[in-house]
This record gives sequence, C-alpha cells and structure tokens, in this order.
Amino acid sequence: KQEVTQIPAALSVPEGENLVLNCSFTDSAIYNLQWFRQDPGKGLTSLLLIQSSQREQTSGRLNASLDKSSGRSTLYIAASQPGDSATYLCAVNQAGTALIFGKGTTLSVSS
Amino acid sequence: EAGVAQSPRYKIIEKRQSVAFWCNPISGHATLYWYQQILGQGPKLLIQFQNNGVVDDSQLPKDRFSAERLKGVDSTLKIQPAKLEDSAVYLCASSSRGIRTGELFFGEGSRLTVL
Repeated sequence: KQEVTQIPAALSVPEGENLVLNCSFTDSAIYNLQWFRQDPGKGLTSLLLIQSSQREQTSGRLNASLDKSSGRSTLYIAASQPGDSATYLCAVNQAGTALIFGKGTTLSVSS
Repeated sequence: EAGVAQSPRYKIIEKRQSVAFWCNPISGHATLYWYQQILGQGPKLLIQFQNNGVVDDSQLPKDRFSAERLKGVDSTLKIQPAKLEDSAVYLCASSSRGIRTGELFFGEGSRLTVL
C-alpha cells in the first residue's frame, strides 16, 4: 500500500531564505507526482506536476525534483516571501488509484 | 475559465442529521473526485467518477455516505446519518485527462461541523 510522508511537518523561516520541503513515497511505481499549496480555509492549488519520466519542473521561484527510484521528491522555494506561508502537500498518482496525499508541511515565512 | 464550484462552504449539523454537498466541475472535465480532509491530515479519496460512472469508491463508508453524478456533470455527496467523526472539509476536484496523467483542480471545499 502506497504511503506518502512529508518532512518536516512544520517549518518557520525568515523572509529571503531558500528552503526545501521533502516528500517520500514507498512504492516507486507512480505515473506522476503533484505539489499543491493550501491556504487556511481554502482548497488546494496545483503548483507543479512532474510526470514519472521527468526529473524536475520549475515555475517561477519553485523547483520540484523527482527521484522515482529512491521514492523521493523535493520542493525548492527560492527567496521565500511572507506570501509563501501556507501548507504544502505532495501527492502521487499510481496505477488504478486517485491521488494519494501526504499530511503536508506548514510553512511560515516571517518578515 | 471558471474553477470547480462547491456549495455550501460551511455547514453545522447535529449528529444523526443529514447533509448534502454539491460540486460543479470545470467544464469539459470528465473525471470528478470527492476527497475528505480531516484537520491536520492530507485529503483522502472518497469516490472517483469518470463521466457518470464510478471508478473507485472503495474508501466510501457506504452505510452512511452516498454520491451521484447524474449526466456526468454536477455531483452530490450525501451523509446520512452524520457522526461526530465526519467533521471535515469535503473537497471536490476535477481533471480533464482521466485517471493516469491528469492534473487535478480543486474547489474551495465544504467545511462540515457535526455537533
């Protein structure tokens, strides 16, 4: 059974720092991995989608990498801003299932 | 392009009462999902539709939860009777490319509090 783990559960950084959020999954047979952002009381916003054949995806200050063989993905946020404060969730898409989510990392960026 | 619409945004009910949530996916999206997100947890799939057929409802508590997607567009999720542990945010999502490769788009969710 696929399990997705995100470390750390919470992270506080000062504005301007570069940071890395980690996601690991137990079964490497995935189609893709998706990173989401969730603001308090809101739904999920898709940030980046990495197909299993890809190694990384970039969008603005965000860069997500995927190492399928080791069951790991990282989300790199450059030059963090207070507006980046939110919960970040990763989810994997496996054959025959819908997305399986981790519990998320709650990020707080202070000015 | 309009996003995924959900209503109501908030609902408070007593245990053993019933409640229904509505979802309108992005136009043209064939795949629709209902997820349950308990506070502090990641979303958990309840049911997945492809057009108006059920693809996966293995984690839906069928003794109290039901869902339908008539005509392959809008969907309704019902809980009857509600229990305290059903307090959660119910998220609807849709995808244009089906099960394997589609990027999911989520609504803002319906927050249920059971007293």
